[in-house]
Amino acid sequence: DADVTQTPRNRITKTGKRIMLECSQTKGHDRMYWYRQDPGLGLRLIYYSFDVKDINKGEISDGYSVSRQAQAKFSLSLESAIPNQTALYFCATRGLAEGGTDTQYFGPGTRLTVL
Amino acid sequence: SQKIEQNSEALNIQEGKTATLTCNYTNYSPAYLQWYRQDPGRGPVFLLLIRENEKEKRKERLKVTFDTTLKQSLFHITASQPADSATYLCALGRQNFVFGPGTRLSVLP
Repeated sequence: DADVTQTPRNRITKTGKRIMLECSQTKGHDRMYWYRQDPGLGLRLIYYSFDVKDINKGEISDGYSVSRQAQAKFSLSLESAIPNQTALYFCATRGLAEGGTDTQYFGPGTRLTVL
Repeated sequence: SQKIEQNSEALNIQEGKTATLTCNYTNYSPAYLQWYRQDPGRGPVFLLLIRENEKEKRKERLKVTFDTTLKQSLFHITASQPADSATYLCALGRQNFVFGPGTRLSVLP
């Protein structure tokens, strides 16, 4: 089973709708992240959380909110979706890999289209 | 503001040759730099990390260099294979990671 899972994998919605993207992890990591990916722009950080009680805004948090329900769960919400939020969204955890290397583990992504 | 550039959007090379990808950055002092591989429709997968006090790191056919004076990292894949075709992302880290836009590598048989 995948260490980081995201649901849904694909979503088409309309302008003004509220959308929630969910992320679960079995890595046991405290640190979790939400990114969006747009062609030519790379991954941009939306929100991050260092533990259940710690939530921080990233580079592009406007129009988004998050909830850290447990160590293993980190949800991203679009309160009122708009077309320029159409993108590929990734959840990630961060922890030490073998050999002590600090790394991020990404989920498979959610492709969101806002019409 | 911080800026990360990767040499080109796309790079085509012949199988067996060495692929060299470049990551340049400005207005940033990373503690370390990472390279990730991303296949279409999937999340990035970590490949290598190099710290600011390291010059070179190797892993199998992969080699990364890091020059903090030039603010540049080079990522090499030797004896490239068609299976190496993917998008490669560099990421600079301190508290959080900042990602470059990626280079799409195509290894032609």
